Amino acid sequence: AQSVTQPDIHITVSEGASLELRCNYSYGATPYLFWYVQSPGQGLQLLLKYFSGDTLVQGIKGFEAEFKRSQSSFNLRKPSVHWSDAAEYFCAVGTDSWGKFQFGAGTQVVVTP
Amino acid sequence: EAQVTQNPRYLITVTGKKLTVTCSQNMNHEYMSWYRQDPGLGLRQIYYSMNVEVTDKGDVPEGYKVSRKEKRNFPLILESPSPNQTSLYFCASSSSHGQGVVFGPGTRLLVL
Repeated sequence: AQSVTQPDIHITVSEGASLELRCNYSYGATPYLFWYVQSPGQGLQLLLKYFSGDTLVQGIKGFEAEFKRSQSSFNLRKPSVHWSDAAEYFCAVGTDSWGKFQFGAGTQVVVTP
Repeated sequence: EAQVTQNPRYLITVTGKKLTVTCSQNMNHEYMSWYRQDPGLGLRQIYYSMNVEVTDKGDVPEGYKVSRKEKRNFPLILESPSPNQTSLYFCASSSSHGQGVVFGPGTRLLVL
């Protein structure tokens, strides 16, 4: 069965600094990979997704993620964070695009001035 | 506007009193799911549906029921709620075209 691990429960970053959130998955084949963001009191918004092709994918709000098959990872990055990036971020894995997904436990990002 | 709607958004109930949380999507998606979100545990899938009259258990189905009589609707039923079902619930839908999952706004449930 597939699983998703987000090793960092909580990350604090200064505004303007770079951000990297880690995601590791366990699955026998190439999974479908997603990153979602949840702002305080809000629902979940899709940041980006990877199905196949170019392993570096661009998303909304200036985020990007890189799929590394050898490391079973799909880390999320942003070169310069803004205060509005403070939120909880979830990595998700799907074995198909149909609707069965596994989510990581989430990484809470705090942005300091 | 393409969206998933859930009702109610907030609900306080007592142990054992049956309740239903409705979910509807207007994107003609084949697949619909229910998740619960608890601190430190992320989102866990309760049930999912691949199409009308086709449903399957997710990772935490105990204490929940679902039905999919129409493509657009996927209600979550708690026949006898218990305090450990206090949580934030999200309905979601997706298509076979791989656009990812579209989530509803969430329903915050408190079972006393």
